[in-house]
Amino acid sequence: NAGVTQTPKFRILKIGQSMTLQCAQDMNHNYMYWYRQDPGMGLKLIYYSVGAGITDKGEVPNGYNVSRSTTEDFPLRLELAAPSQTSVYFCASSPRDKQFFGPGTRLTVL
Amino acid sequence: ELKVEQNPLFLSMQEGKNYTIYCNYSTTSDRLYWYRQDPGKSLESLFVLLSNGAVKQEGRLMASLDTKARLSTLHITAAVHDLSATYFCAVDPGNYGGSQGNLIFGKGTKLSVKP
Repeated sequence: NAGVTQTPKFRILKIGQSMTLQCAQDMNHNYMYWYRQDPGMGLKLIYYSVGAGITDKGEVPNGYNVSRSTTEDFPLRLELAAPSQTSVYFCASSPRDKQFFGPGTRLTVL
Repeated sequence: ELKVEQNPLFLSMQEGKNYTIYCNYSTTSDRLYWYRQDPGKSLESLFVLLSNGAVKQEGRLMASLDTKARLSTLHITAAVHDLSATYFCAVDPGNYGGSQGNLIFGKGTKLSVKP
C-alpha cells in the first residue's frame, strides 16, 4: 500500500493564482481530511469528508474548496491565492479513529 | 469552542531523565490522540485513547487520559536522543456515535533530548 499520497510536494504561487492540491489514499478509508499547519503551530482542519459525495467545512474553510467523487481521491482547490494561505498542507485518511497522514505540500504565495 | 492546550511548548531534557507533557482541553471528550512530527516530516500516530482511564505504552512513551479532569499526559521515561521531535495532542469533540474525526490540535511540544 502507498498509504496517503500528496502532490505536489512544493509549490510557489503568485497572488490571485489558483491551484489544486491532490490527495489520494489506497486504504479504502471513508474519512478524509485536509489540514493546514502554519509555522510553530498545530494543525487546523480545512475540510473533511465522511465518504464519496459528502464533504463539510472544518475550522478554517475560507478560500478553499473540495470535492470527493471517489473514495480514493480528495483534492483541495485554492481559488485566488493569498499570502495568508502560505502554509504546509496535510491530507489524512481514517477508517474511523486513527488518522494516517500524507507527506504534505509546502505552499508559498508571493 | 474547544481549546486544546499543551505544556510545555518547548522542552529540553537530558538523556536518561523522565518528564511529562500535559494536554488540557476545554470540553468533554473521551477521544484523544497523540502524534509525533519530525522536522519537515508528516505526522505519525503514537496513541489513540478512547475512554476515561485509558493508558497506553510504547517503548519509553506512555499516554493516559482522564476525561473528568479533561487532561491527557504523555510520559517520557529515560529519554534518548531519538525521541527528539514535536509531539501533538489532538481531541475529538464528538462522541463516538457522532464523531466524524474532526480533530482539534494543540500547538505541539517541541522536545529536544541532549546527551
